[in-house]
Amino acid sequence: GAVVSQHPSRVICKSGTSVKIECRSLDFQATTMFWYRQFPKQSLMLMATSNEGSKATYEQGVEKDKFLINHASLTLSTLTVTSAHPEDSSFYICSGRDRRLNEQFFGPGTRLTVL
Amino acid sequence: GNSVTQMEGPVTLSEEAFLTINCTYTATGYPSLFWYVQYPGEGLQLLLKATKADDKGSNKGFEATYRKETTSFHLEKGSVQVSDSAVYFCALSINDYKLSFGAGTTVTVRA
Repeated sequence: GAVVSQHPSRVICKSGTSVKIECRSLDFQATTMFWYRQFPKQSLMLMATSNEGSKATYEQGVEKDKFLINHASLTLSTLTVTSAHPEDSSFYICSGRDRRLNEQFFGPGTRLTVL
Repeated sequence: GNSVTQMEGPVTLSEEAFLTINCTYTATGYPSLFWYVQYPGEGLQLLLKATKADDKGSNKGFEATYRKETTSFHLEKGSVQVSDSAVYFCALSINDYKLSFGAGTTVTVRA
């Protein structure tokens, strides 16, 4: 299947700083990318949907000014957690939709720890 | 709204045992149903899917049948291996490609 990478795989930051997570589709063009958040022993919760070249659509309860999403190209989407706080500590997962295969491919996730 | 309920784990089995993970759903509309698997340290991978009632998805010895009358999509495998140890997620999607996931079931297979 197609490959999606995320960088970094894990990051530790101080409270109040901003953290950027990159999501890349390596061998396909992802016109749509999704960002999820996964708490320990819980399911993935969709945060937002981003389409290349347009603004992201956020799910209810997700602060768009807190979680900035940019999808500037068909192979790259970024999630920036602004002014991070300990409650933002979580596992963030992205996926890209391969329109040709009509399937989503997931990245390996980024573990964010805010001290 | 759309939601997925799956059997809570963890599940621990011996090699060659039969595995069933129950999954039921509620949906406003006619969903496609999926099982994803997450191996340790890796991203989620699509295991199988079914897009309409009575469809059976199958892959790597796993099977699941889309049962509209019981709103279920239970995952089964007749003889598990150690390499099947992973977290399994049931999910659904309506036409907008957004996935709604169940809580995940951790399966551990002992040699």
